[in-house]
Amino acid sequence: GENVEQHPSTLSVQEGDSAVIKCTYSDSASNYFPWYKQELGKGPQLIIDIRSNVGEKKDQRIAVTLNKTAKHFSLHITETQPEDSAVYFCAASDQTGANNLFFGTGTRLTVIP
Amino acid sequence: GAVVSQHPSRVICKSGTSVKIECRSLDFQATTMFWYRQFPKQSLMLMATSNEGSKATYEQGVEKDKFLINHASLTLSTLTVTSAHPEDSSFYICSARPPRGGHDEQFFGPGTRLTVL
Repeated sequence: GENVEQHPSTLSVQEGDSAVIKCTYSDSASNYFPWYKQELGKGPQLIIDIRSNVGEKKDQRIAVTLNKTAKHFSLHITETQPEDSAVYFCAASDQTGANNLFFGTGTRLTVIP
Repeated sequence: GAVVSQHPSRVICKSGTSVKIECRSLDFQATTMFWYRQFPKQSLMLMATSNEGSKATYEQGVEKDKFLINHASLTLSTLTVTSAHPEDSSFYICSARPPRGGHDEQFFGPGTRLTVL
């Protein structure tokens, strides 16, 4: 099955700086890669996703890049703000009938004011 | 759009009792819903996939007789933790897949924190 690894596990940045979180996956057939933001005591919220037919996608301060050859994808947050502080999870969708999501281990991002 | 709710948000029960958690898709019909379990500071672990009108598919190691899942309608799935024990204490999160768009999107509910005394 799919195996998703995520780094770093914790990340602290100064407000206004950029944050980058990286994930690798094992199943070359995976073609859907969402990123979720989870605040304390809440469910994950989809913030951006990318499919394997594109290499980059951007939504305001958030961008995701995908390298299918190397099987890795990254989340980039620019001009970070304290409200960006949360746990971020990457995921990859396998190609079985259910198209289940396999999650990375999460990155706790802290933006220091 | 794509809003998923869960009820209750928090529940405390005694060991040996059963607890039911509801997951609803509020503004779309979901043919597929998923149940996850999350321990503190850990990732989400898929427990089972439920399809409306059919039996749930459980992941390896998840006891189907302990975690009963019913997907009775296109907007409601329930998870019942039977004969709960302290080790069942966890954060349970459901997600639903909308029929539009890709075949792999999932939108998550706010989660239910279960504490078994």
